[in-house]
Amino acid sequence: DAGVIQSPRHEVTEMGQEVTLRCKLISGHNSLFWYRQTMMRGLELLIYFNNNVPIDDSGMPEDRFSAKMPNASFSTLKIQPSEPRDSAVYFCASSPQGALIDYGYTFGSGTRLTVV
Amino acid sequence: SQQGEEDPQALSIQEGENATMNCSYKTSINNLQWYRQNSGRGLVHLILIRSNEREKHSGRLRVTLDTSKKSSSLLITASRAADTASYFCATAPSGTYKYIFGTGTRLKVLA
Repeated sequence: DAGVIQSPRHEVTEMGQEVTLRCKLISGHNSLFWYRQTMMRGLELLIYFNNNVPIDDSGMPEDRFSAKMPNASFSTLKIQPSEPRDSAVYFCASSPQGALIDYGYTFGSGTRLTVV
Repeated sequence: SQQGEEDPQALSIQEGENATMNCSYKTSINNLQWYRQNSGRGLVHLILIRSNEREKHSGRLRVTLDTSKKSSSLLITASRAADTASYFCATAPSGTYKYIFGTGTRLKVLA
């Protein structure tokens, strides 16, 4: 089992550019979570999906952020246009259960995004 | 706002000593989880304790939960240099799976 796989590991982009972060879930996991981590704000939950359906996107900071889950094993987080304040480490995590989670999350290694 | 907050923010101990860190949260919960994050890495799940449990052990880890005080503690016994990391608690309000992570405790174990 390769775990949760995120790509790219590092991304440096110029302000105004579109950025797409990718996440591959563990086979059999049906819940997917996107988090953002910064020194100032810690770990913030952006959005989570259950069975490919977005359940709560109240943590998405602005309309510039969008997330999709086109199939059961893959998700993307897109920022368009990107801004320097979006610089952070973005993590996705998956879990085998949706309701009443009794299992911990499995986190990916994260994507370190730098917007200059 | 943060659902959970860890205390202390930073902790430095000698190898072989025990490390205790605490977590406080705000709402009723189904369970509480502890995670470890090594520098530059993703978070790793350590242990989950359910709301009807008071204490749980896993290897050198001991977790307690006091739902009346809305608090939990993580004890690492006989610490090792490899335990150096940040430790986070995560909780979700009952009936949701919107897990919110605390601010973390940075543990440094000196060899």
